[in-house]
Amino acid sequence: GESVGLHLPTLSVQEGDNSIINCAYSNSASDYFIWYKQESGKGPQFIIDIRSNMDKRQGQRVTVLLNKTVKHLSLQIAATQPGDSAVYFCAETRGTSYDKVIFGPGTSLSVIP
Amino acid sequence: DTGVSQDPRHKITKRGQNVTFRCDPISEHNRLYWYRQTLGQGPEFLTYFQNEAQLEKSRLLSDRFSAERPKGSFSTLEIQRTEQGDSAMYLCASSLALAGGTYEQYFGPGTRLTVT
Repeated sequence: GESVGLHLPTLSVQEGDNSIINCAYSNSASDYFIWYKQESGKGPQFIIDIRSNMDKRQGQRVTVLLNKTVKHLSLQIAATQPGDSAVYFCAETRGTSYDKVIFGPGTSLSVIP
Repeated sequence: DTGVSQDPRHKITKRGQNVTFRCDPISEHNRLYWYRQTLGQGPEFLTYFQNEAQLEKSRLLSDRFSAERPKGSFSTLEIQRTEQGDSAMYLCASSLALAGGTYEQYFGPGTRLTVT
């Protein structure tokens, strides 16, 4: 069946270092892969997405890499800051219109000052 | 603040009672989604609307759950005869669907339901 999952449940990073959060997916039919950030007491917040025909996409301090050969997605955060501490979810959807988003279980990122 | 509001933020109810949650999306957004999230897990899709039409319902949405969006603006999610397994965070999201392009979903803060 469809599933999106993460390799590591927790990640601790020193402030200023780069963070890499990984995700494995099983549904090759996904059209978009998305990263969300969820802070305590808040709903998920869109960070960046990547279309399935792309390998890399960059945003502000974030880069998403997609390796379709091994069905692997990663989120790189440059110069990690305390405000980056949150749970990060990879997710997938089909079609151009995000009909429904299927989330993975999440990785908790802790930034050590 | 994403512009999506949910009410109430917290709800404690006894098993067997009915509860209703409200979501107010971003005003120009024509799509509205409901998700459920349990502790330590990612949100699970429940249902979504385009304007007032309910276009998809998850198998997770049992007969005790009903969602409406009568005028294509705010939405309500009702759970009848609540069970302890219904305890979760109920998230609402909205997006603007246009021909072509991607439609980022903006999430509200959620309603935390506790069934005792």
